Amino acid sequence: QVQLQESGPGLVKPSQTLSLTCTVSGGSISSGGYYWSWIRQHPGKGLEWIGYIYYSGSTYYNPSLKSRVTISVDTSKNQFSLKLSSVTAADTAVYYCAREVQQPDAFDIWGQGTMVTVSS
Amino acid sequence: DIQMTQSPSSLSASVGDRVTITCRASQSISSYLNWYQQKPGKAPKLLIYAASSLQSGVPSRFSGSGSGTDFTLTISSLQPEDFATYYCQQSYSTSYSFGQGTKLEIK
Repeated sequence: QVQLQESGPGLVKPSQTLSLTCTVSGGSISSGGYYWSWIRQHPGKGLEWIGYIYYSGSTYYNPSLKSRVTISVDTSKNQFSLKLSSVTAADTAVYYCAREVQQPDAFDIWGQGTMVTVSS
Repeated sequence: DIQMTQSPSSLSASVGDRVTITCRASQSISSYLNWYQQKPGKAPKLLIYAASSLQSGVPSRFSGSGSGTDFTLTISSLQPEDFATYYCQQSYSTSYSFGQGTKLEIK
C-alpha cells in the first residue's frame, strides 16, 4: 500500500529556508485523483494545512503562508518537497506530508511526521 | 477563511460510553467535513469523510452526521483504543482548515 516518508533537517536557523522532502512508495505520485499536501502541527497544538501540489505541478497554498511557501514535485523520484523561507521560532512544528483524495478531498494517508526546530 | 470550532475541547468518558463531539463551521460547508483521530506521537488517521462516510477499515462504532454548519462525530461504545484527540476539517474551501481538537480522556 501507499506510504509517505518525510525527510530533511531537524534544525533550521532563523531567517533561513526550511526544506523537506516527502517520498511516496507503493504507488505513483503521477496517478491522477490525488493532491499531495504538507500539513504542520505546532507543539501541543492543532493542525495547519500549508499547501498542496498536483503531479502536473499545479499548486495551492494557505494564504497565511503563501508568501513564504514553495511546493514542488519530482515525478521521476516519486517525491514532492516543501520550502518555507525566512523561518522564525513560530515555524517550529511537526511537519507532515499527506495524500489528499480528490472528491471527497480528505487526507487518507499521512507520513509519520518530522519535527523541525527553528533555533540559532 | 472558514473557522472550525469544536466542542468540547476535552472530554472525560468511560469504556462503553456513548460520546458525541461537535464541530461548527463559520459558514455553510455543505457536507465537506472530515474527521480524524490522532494519538500521541502519531499522525492523524482519517475516520469519516464527507460528513458521514466511514473510511475503510474504521470500526462501525464511529459515525458522523450533519451538513451546512453543524456536524457531529459519535462513538457508540467507547473502547480503550479510542482515547485520543479528534479533529474536524473542512474541505469546502481550498484553504483547508481544522478544528482545534477535542481530547478524549479516560474517566
